[in-house]
Amino acid sequence: EAGVVQSPRYKIIEKKQPVAFWCNPISGHNTLYWYRQNLGQGPELLIRYENEEAVDDSQLPKDRFSAERLKGVDSTLKIQPAELGDSAVYLCASRPTQANTEAFFGQGTRLTVV
Amino acid sequence: QKEVEQNSGPLSVPEGAIASLNCTYSDRVSQSFFWYRQYSGKSPELIMSIYSNGDKEDGRFTAQLNKASQYVSLLIRDSQPSDSATYLCAVTRGSNYKLTFGKGTLLTVNP
Repeated sequence: EAGVVQSPRYKIIEKKQPVAFWCNPISGHNTLYWYRQNLGQGPELLIRYENEEAVDDSQLPKDRFSAERLKGVDSTLKIQPAELGDSAVYLCASRPTQANTEAFFGQGTRLTVV
Repeated sequence: QKEVEQNSGPLSVPEGAIASLNCTYSDRVSQSFFWYRQYSGKSPELIMSIYSNGDKEDGRFTAQLNKASQYVSLLIRDSQPSDSATYLCAVTRGSNYKLTFGKGTLLTVNP
């Protein structure tokens, strides 16, 4: 079974430029998470989807970040414009929408804003 | 008070020893508890999940949950240098599947 797939793996952009990350969750996993992880810190939730509905986006900086999961499967996370402080690893995870199930992570996208 | 708290470490143990990693959480309605291992430059990898009070063993790993004390721990027996990594504690809150992580504890196992 394929795991969570993210692309790109690495991205270097100049500040003020836009950037987008893509995530394809494990088949059948209705819950999808986007996290941001800074060096030496734990993952911080940006947004959580249940199918195509964003049910928890309180930590998403909505002035520059946006996300979508139009068909309830794959998802994109966008930053426009990027700032130096956005440099981090962006992680996508998915899990079945059932009690007592685990979430699995993709390989992440390492973003460097210069 | 942070939702999930861990000692950031580093925790250093000799090879063959028991490593003990601790985590506390603030929300009493938390229902599911997870330990992830993260090697440097890699994404988190699930190693243990626990859903009810008591101990759960899987090979060299034992997770312990005490909901009354809002405490979850991970014991690694016969620690190996390959266990050197950051260990992340994660908790889901109630039935809404919000998955919250601690900052992680860096474990170093010395040969």
